[in-house]
Amino acid sequence: DAGVIQSPRHEVTEMGQEVTLRCKPISGHDYLFWYRQTMMRGLELLIYFNNNVPIDDSGMPEDRFSAKMPNASFSTLKIQPSEPRDSAVYFCASAEGIDGPQHFGDGTRLSIL
Amino acid sequence: GNSVTQMEGPVTLSEEAFLTINCTYTATGYPSLFWYVQYPGEGLQLLLKATKADDKGSNKGFEATYRKETTSFHLEKGSVQVSDSAVYFCALSDQVQGAQKLVFGQGTRLTINP
Repeated sequence: DAGVIQSPRHEVTEMGQEVTLRCKPISGHDYLFWYRQTMMRGLELLIYFNNNVPIDDSGMPEDRFSAKMPNASFSTLKIQPSEPRDSAVYFCASAEGIDGPQHFGDGTRLSIL
Repeated sequence: GNSVTQMEGPVTLSEEAFLTINCTYTATGYPSLFWYVQYPGEGLQLLLKATKADDKGSNKGFEATYRKETTSFHLEKGSVQVSDSAVYFCALSDQVQGAQKLVFGQGTRLTINP
């Protein structure tokens, strides 16, 4: 079975550019989560969706970050404009149901120069 | 708010040694507790979980018991292998609005030498 698929795996871009991270959850999963992992702050939940609807975006750091889920098989996390402090590994995870375990993708390593 | 504290790493052991990684938590209510493992270049994988006090989660030789009285969920393995080298995360669920909102510890890097 295909797991959670994230793209790209690595992204290097210059400060001020727009960055778009993509995620395809596991088919049939109705919850989707976006996390950010840094050495300083560890693993933080940014936002999560249920049935394509954003439920809690309290972890989104600022207005430069936005996330969408136009359908059950695709989500994006966008940063515009990007800043060096946004450099991190971004993970997407999906889960089936209220008690389902979260399955993580392999992450996108983002470097903002 | 809810929080998870793990023992600081890195932890380095020899193959076949006994492993303990300490984890304590602060939470209102009765959260579920989890251990996740992250291998290099990969995402996190659920290793084991426990949903109520005195439950023991186990998988691949790893065990952890939900101790409400000490608010702990320590990870143990009797005989580690080189392939267990990874980063281990303790987490609790903050079930808000009908979803398991996970709060993670900082992670503990484990290296097993042959």
